[in-house]
Amino acid sequence: DVKVTQSSRYLVKRTGEKVFLECVQDMDHENMFWYRQDPGLGLRLIYFSYDVKMKEKGDIPEGYSVSREKKERFSLILESASTNQTSMYLCASRNLAGGRSYEQYFGPGTRLTVT
Amino acid sequence: AQKITQTQPGMFVQEKEAVTLDCTYDTSDQSYGLFWYKQPSSGEMIFLIYQGSYDEQNATEGRYSLNFQKARKSANLVISASQLGDSAMYFCAMREANTGNQFYFGTGTSLTVIP
Repeated sequence: DVKVTQSSRYLVKRTGEKVFLECVQDMDHENMFWYRQDPGLGLRLIYFSYDVKMKEKGDIPEGYSVSREKKERFSLILESASTNQTSMYLCASRNLAGGRSYEQYFGPGTRLTVT
Repeated sequence: AQKITQTQPGMFVQEKEAVTLDCTYDTSDQSYGLFWYKQPSSGEMIFLIYQGSYDEQNATEGRYSLNFQKARKSANLVISASQLGDSAMYFCAMREANTGNQFYFGTGTSLTVIP
């Protein structure tokens, strides 16, 4: 089974702090994604990565950056956390090859609160 | 314009009855894929079903079927014989061939199954 793990389920940070959210997948998937989920807005793509050291902005990249130094790990960075970044953050990965290449596999999510 | 529209914020269904969750999409691509995900209160996103734009048959996975009406750009999810464990948020999503790796999600429908 594909496993996508996220470093924390719940996180509380102060305004202005630098925040790192880590995501690890164990199936050698090329693509990885970071979404934020807010009530009434669904999932919105922040960044995605085609492969190691490759990244593309999604729909809402402002205030975020990402890092992918190793294939299995995709980090989301909030350079200076603000209260409007309080949200649920979901990581996903996708394999480009194989019969189910259309499917994304999601991690359990990190609920971030910025106070 | 919204790529994916889910017009039902909340739905109720009696246990053992069938329910249809609506999804319409907007694309000018000929090649695209449509997805449904389930998100229980625990937060993880669970892949349910996939329909490719060139698939002539409606996709089915157990009690889930996707009612694909290409001309109307709709991809409704039908859950037959509802169970209490079906209570969750349901998200419709799309991936266009031309935009490569980006997935677009709707705002979700909250389904409650009543005993």
